[in-house]
Amino acid sequence: DAMVIQNPRYQVTQFGKPVTLSCSQTLNHNVMYWYQQKSSQAPKLLFHYYDKDFNNEADTPDNFQSRRPNTSFCFLDIRSPGLGDTAMYLCATSREIGLQETQYFGPGTRLLVL
Amino acid sequence: KQEVTQIPAALSVPEGENLVLNCSFTDSAIYNLQWFRQDPGKGLTSLLLIQSSQREQTSGRLNASLDKSSGRSTLYIAASQPGDSATYLCAVADSSYKLIFGSGTRLLVRP
Repeated sequence: DAMVIQNPRYQVTQFGKPVTLSCSQTLNHNVMYWYQQKSSQAPKLLFHYYDKDFNNEADTPDNFQSRRPNTSFCFLDIRSPGLGDTAMYLCATSREIGLQETQYFGPGTRLLVL
Repeated sequence: KQEVTQIPAALSVPEGENLVLNCSFTDSAIYNLQWFRQDPGKGLTSLLLIQSSQREQTSGRLNASLDKSSGRSTLYIAASQPGDSATYLCAVADSSYKLIFGSGTRLLVRP
C-alpha cells in the first residue's frame, strides 16, 4: 500500500562517515524531491529530479549529492556528515511540476550524526 | 525571498473546540498554498491545496481560506478531536512550483 518508501527509517552515523539514504516510489511519478527538516523547523528543499534532470538548490551544501538510477528510486548521499546534518530527511514525489500538483511524502529517515 | 510564518507555534485545546491556525507569507505572487499534517516522527500528509485563484477549500471538518493580497491563509478545524493532534504546516508554491514551508503549528487536542 505504501506509495513512497524510505529506508532506513533511522540511521546513526559517525562524524565524517559517508551515509546513503534511499527513497522508492510506486506511483510512477516524474518528479522526486529531497527535503531536510531540522527539529521544529520547516522542511527545506535540497534538490529535485524531473525525470533524470537534476536540479540543485543554490544553498544546498556540496556535501549532499543525489542519484536517480531509474524512475522508482532516488538516493541521497552525504559524503562527510557533520553534526549539523542531524535532521529528518524527507523524500517526496509529484506526478508533474505544476499548478495543481500535490507532493506525496514518505515517512522520512531520521539521521543522527555523532 | 519568500518567507512563511505560522502563528502560534503551539496550541492546546479541549476536545470539541473549533480552532483556527494561521499562516502568513511575504510575497503574494504565489501559485498555490497547501496545508499539510505531520505526525511525530513521520512524513507529511497533504490536507488541502488552494490554487491562487481560489478563496477556500473544504475537506470534511477542515476548511482552508486564502487571501493572497494580504498574504494570509487560515486552516479552520471544526469540532476538534484528540486524533487531530499533530503539527500542521502550510507551504506556498513559488513561480517554479517549489514549496516553501512554514515551521508549523503543533496542535494538542486534550480529551
